[in-house]
Amino acid sequence: SAVISQKPSRDICQRGTSLTIQCQVDSQVTMMFWYRQQPGQSLTLIATANQGSEATYESGFVIDKFPISRPNLTFSTLTVSNMSPEDSSIYLCSARRQNLNIQYFGAGTRLSVL
Amino acid sequence: AQSVTQLGSHVSVSEGALVLLRCNYSSSVPPYLFWYVQYPNQGLQLLLKYTTGATLVKGINGFEAEFKKSETSFHLTKPSAHMSDAAEYFCAVSDRTNFGNEKLTFGTGTRLTIIP
Repeated sequence: SAVISQKPSRDICQRGTSLTIQCQVDSQVTMMFWYRQQPGQSLTLIATANQGSEATYESGFVIDKFPISRPNLTFSTLTVSNMSPEDSSIYLCSARRQNLNIQYFGAGTRLSVL
Repeated sequence: AQSVTQLGSHVSVSEGALVLLRCNYSSSVPPYLFWYVQYPNQGLQLLLKYTTGATLVKGINGFEAEFKKSETSFHLTKPSAHMSDAAEYFCAVSDRTNFGNEKLTFGTGTRLTIIP
């Protein structure tokens, strides 16, 4: 399995501000993903974080709102920009190793926007 | 496009009773299938997966699931529920034909409550 660390584990933010979430994996992985889990709901894929290039966003998510970086094979960040209360969710990072179709998840970042 | 249906957003069983959580998928080609568990205030943990081979898959914590192609199902079972099984369970699929970009599609989740 892969060990995935996310920081911060939780935060309370003011409307209009931005928060950057970090995801660190303990070994090299081919793919990293960012998901959102709104209160009481399932997980929705935000984007695939591509190493060294722009992330691939799912329908309904845009780079200006959720900029993503992945400078190397073990690290990625997701920024939630210009936050509103509707952005209050759990944000989860996941990673997948090459030739192993299993995604491992971090513990998530619980974000509350006031 | 793939989709996953989990019947029953809430399931309650008595301690020691059989646990059955239902999952059906919709895909022209049988996908890869997964069950994840989420304990309160934690991330997702993989319980088990089916990719190929034997259709009855055994996972952690005594759980198992059976892939039934004819029924497009991948139901999760455990013979005897334990209090520690109380959690949210998610069924997920990924497209086996989209090699290298196997995104997960999740069901809506089933909250399992264990009655003492």
